Amino acid sequence: GENVEQHPSTLSVQEGDSAVIKCTYSDSASNYFPWYKQELGKRPQLIIDIRSNVGEKKDQRIAVTLNKTAKHFSLHITETQPEDSAVYFCAASPGNQFYFGTGTSLTVIP
Amino acid sequence: DVKVTQSSRYLVKRTGEKVFLECVQDMDHENMFWYRQDPGLGLRLIYFSYDVKMKEKGDIPEGYSVSREKKERFSLILESASTNQTSMYLCASKYQGGSYEQYFGPGTRLTVT
Repeated sequence: GENVEQHPSTLSVQEGDSAVIKCTYSDSASNYFPWYKQELGKRPQLIIDIRSNVGEKKDQRIAVTLNKTAKHFSLHITETQPEDSAVYFCAASPGNQFYFGTGTSLTVIP
Repeated sequence: DVKVTQSSRYLVKRTGEKVFLECVQDMDHENMFWYRQDPGLGLRLIYFSYDVKMKEKGDIPEGYSVSREKKERFSLILESASTNQTSMYLCASKYQGGSYEQYFGPGTRLTVT
């Protein structure tokens, strides 16, 4: 089955700096790669996703890149703000099931 | 707006009790999922259902069973709760097929004493 690895597990950045979270996957059949943000005590919510026919996608301060050959994808957050502090999960999906990374706890220091 | 609801936010049960966690979605989604979330381990799939009365085991099905009698409702059952099942349980749903967003419920924090 699919195996998703996510790094780093914790990340602290100064407000205004950029944050990068990286994930790798093993199953070349995976074709959908969502990123979820989970604030403390709340449910995970989708912040951005990318499909395998696209190499990069951007939404305001958030961008995701995908390298199918190397089987890795990354989340980039620019101009970080304190409200970006949360746990971020990557996932890979070859069909109906999602395989999640173990999460990155991001802290943005004001 | 998609709504996924779970029957309880917090639940405290005793070892050996039978526990039912219920999840309801209102978007006519074919697929429904139960995950367990523990610190440092991320979201681990317990079971998923791709249609009414259909189910498949996930990564950690031991000690759990599920029931899906109606499309909108997916129940997770702990036949005999144990302390190592103390965790956050998240339900999710999505449309059948790839490239569809998975929507999560608010979670149930289960404590087994």
